Amino acid sequence: ILNVEQSPQSLHVQEGDSTNFTCSFPSSNFYALHWYRWETAKSPEALFVMTLNGDEKKKGRISATLNTKEGYSYLYIKGSQPEDSATYLCAGTSGGYQKVTFGTGTKLQVIP
Amino acid sequence: NAGVMQNPRHLVRRRGQEARLRCSPMKGHSHVYWYRQLPEEGLKFMVYLQKENIIDESGMPKERFSAEFPKEGPSILRIQQVVRGDSAAYFCASSEWTGSYEQYFGPGTRLTVT
Repeated sequence: ILNVEQSPQSLHVQEGDSTNFTCSFPSSNFYALHWYRWETAKSPEALFVMTLNGDEKKKGRISATLNTKEGYSYLYIKGSQPEDSATYLCAGTSGGYQKVTFGTGTKLQVIP
Repeated sequence: NAGVMQNPRHLVRRRGQEARLRCSPMKGHSHVYWYRQLPEEGLKFMVYLQKENIIDESGMPKERFSAEFPKEGPSILRIQQVVRGDSAAYFCASSEWTGSYEQYFGPGTRLTVT
C-alpha cells in the first residue's frame, strides 16, 4: 500500500504571496504522482501527472516538481490569488497494479 | 464530450434502507473508481472497476457495500441496510487508462442517513 503524506495540513497566505507545499511518498516501487485541486462544493480537478525523476510541470502560476529518488513532490503557487483558495491533493500510484492513493490534502486560504 | 456524471446528487435514506449511487464515466473511459469522503476527512479509495470486472475492492467495507460496472450502463455503488456512519460524499472518477493517466471526477453524491 502506498502511503502518501502532505504538509502542511492547512495554510493561510496573503494575496500576492508565493507559497509551496509538499507531498511525500515511498520512493520504492513508485510509478506516478498526481496533483489535484479541490474547491469547496466541487469535485477534484486534475492539475498535473508526473512520472519521471526531475519532472517539472507548469500551468499558469502553478508549478510542480518531482523527486522520485527521495520520494517527494512540491507544488508552487506564484503570486497567490483568492481564487487559488482550495484543497490541493496529491496522489500516488505504485508499480504493478496502479491503484491511486490520495493524501489528505493541503487546504490553502488566500486572504485578500 | 460530457464529463463524469453522477446521480443522484443528493440522497437521503433512513437507517436500514438501500442506497444506489450511479456513475457514468466519460466517453471512452473504461476505468472507474469510487471514493468516499467522510465528514472532516479526505478522499478514501473504495473500489476500482473496469467493464464487468472488479479490479481492487480493498477499500470497500466487507459487508453491505458492493459495486459493479456492467458491460452496458453506469457503474453502481450499492449500500444495503444503511447506517448513520454511511453518511458521506461519494465521488466517482474515470480514466482512459490507469496509473499515469488523470482521473476525472464526477460532482459526487451526498448521502445522508437519517
